[in-house]
Amino acid sequence: DAGVTQSPTHLIKTRGQHVTLRCSPISGHKSVSWYQQVLGQGPQFIFQYYEKEERGRGNFPDRFSARQFPNYSSELNVNALLLGDSALYLCASSYTGTGDEQYFGPGTRLTVT
Amino acid sequence: GQQLNQSPQSMFIQEGEDVSMNCTSSSIFNTWLWYKQDPGEGPVLLIALYKAGELTSNGRLTAQFGITRKDSFLNISASIPSDVGIYFCAGRAGNTPLVFGKGTRLSVIA
Repeated sequence: DAGVTQSPTHLIKTRGQHVTLRCSPISGHKSVSWYQQVLGQGPQFIFQYYEKEERGRGNFPDRFSARQFPNYSSELNVNALLLGDSALYLCASSYTGTGDEQYFGPGTRLTVT
Repeated sequence: GQQLNQSPQSMFIQEGEDVSMNCTSSSIFNTWLWYKQDPGEGPVLLIALYKAGELTSNGRLTAQFGITRKDSFLNISASIPSDVGIYFCAGRAGNTPLVFGKGTRLSVIA
């Protein structure tokens, strides 16, 4: 069975630009969560979606937004990119999102110059 | 917000040795998860714990959910070179988001 997939793998953007990252969850999973991981740190929660509804939001500015589609795939959007947004962006899927195990994709490495 | 303290930050061990690492929280959790992350990849789930005192094994890995519900432990027995990587603990209370530790970087010397 296919795991969580993310695209693109790598991305280089300039300050001020906008970026869209994509995630497809494991088949049958209805919840998607997004995390930001900077070098030397653990993943930090950004958003969780379940059945297309936002279930939770971490301590990130409004420049970050996300949505989930009817097929449970998800997009993370970041506007007005800053150098500090450079990180590995991870998507995790789970069946319900209410306390069950989360399975991560390989991530998208975003570099902002 | 909730903080997880994971220790040690890094460890260098000889192949064949056992490894222990732990994670503590400032608040009570009802779920503990342990992940391993290799360079350039996403974290891979190793063990999930849902009950205080629970002891769960996955091959050479054993993890425990602490009785106080504020800590968890991961042990690796008879380490091998492919155990190299960064191990993360993660916990949550109720339906709150997962909170991760900063990781333990494991290096195995053959």
